[in-house]
Amino acid sequence: GAVVSQHPSWVICKSGTSVKIECRSLDFQATTMFWYRQFPKQSLMLMATSNEGSKATYEQGVEKDKFLINHASLTLSTLTVTSAHPEDSSFYICSARVDNSNQPQHFGDGTRLSIL
Amino acid sequence: AQKITQTQPGMFVQEKEAVTLDCTYDTSDQSYGLFWYKQPSSGEMIFLIYQGSYDEQNATEGRYSLNFQKARKSANLVISASQLGDSAMYFCAMREGIQGAQKLVFGQGTRLTINP
Repeated sequence: GAVVSQHPSWVICKSGTSVKIECRSLDFQATTMFWYRQFPKQSLMLMATSNEGSKATYEQGVEKDKFLINHASLTLSTLTVTSAHPEDSSFYICSARVDNSNQPQHFGDGTRLSIL
Repeated sequence: AQKITQTQPGMFVQEKEAVTLDCTYDTSDQSYGLFWYKQPSSGEMIFLIYQGSYDEQNATEGRYSLNFQKARKSANLVISASQLGDSAMYFCAMREGIQGAQKLVFGQGTRLTINP
């Protein structure tokens, strides 16, 4: 149980394009989902906390207008990288938590984004 | 300030040997949780083991055990009888915060290589 699906797994696109990444909890409802960014050989850095039915909470230094997050249902959160540029190239990974304090966050398989 | 510290950037171990991956943490919260995740080269984050701050016994999950020393604020992962498939990045993470705002903070990671 507790499967998180992330799509697409790999994106290559031109500079200036907006890219949408989906994160779905397949067999549980998640009022809270998390979006992380990971540079090569580095750790995961939390970008924002996605809350169903309300605005996302962004970490310090993360541009809200650049990384749009929508959590319209209990099973789906989307991250849109707007007007992507080469410096936005990274590995983006989402996670979702079953609403129980002792439950771990379950991660999607991640999205490798390459902006040319 | 770094809240999770993994001091071993890389570890090399012979197959079938046991290995200990170090993790120390810093928090002023009384209630917190500690997690270990495995990240293979394909990128997905695999949950391994969890230890709650109030748990009196060390957590165990198959070949994984967590050596929790609360006074020293350490939560080392022990992998017994290592296998070639254990080669991966390993991240220690801490969950802190009030019920609704729990976030995971990750350490820098340790790259484990199992030699045949």
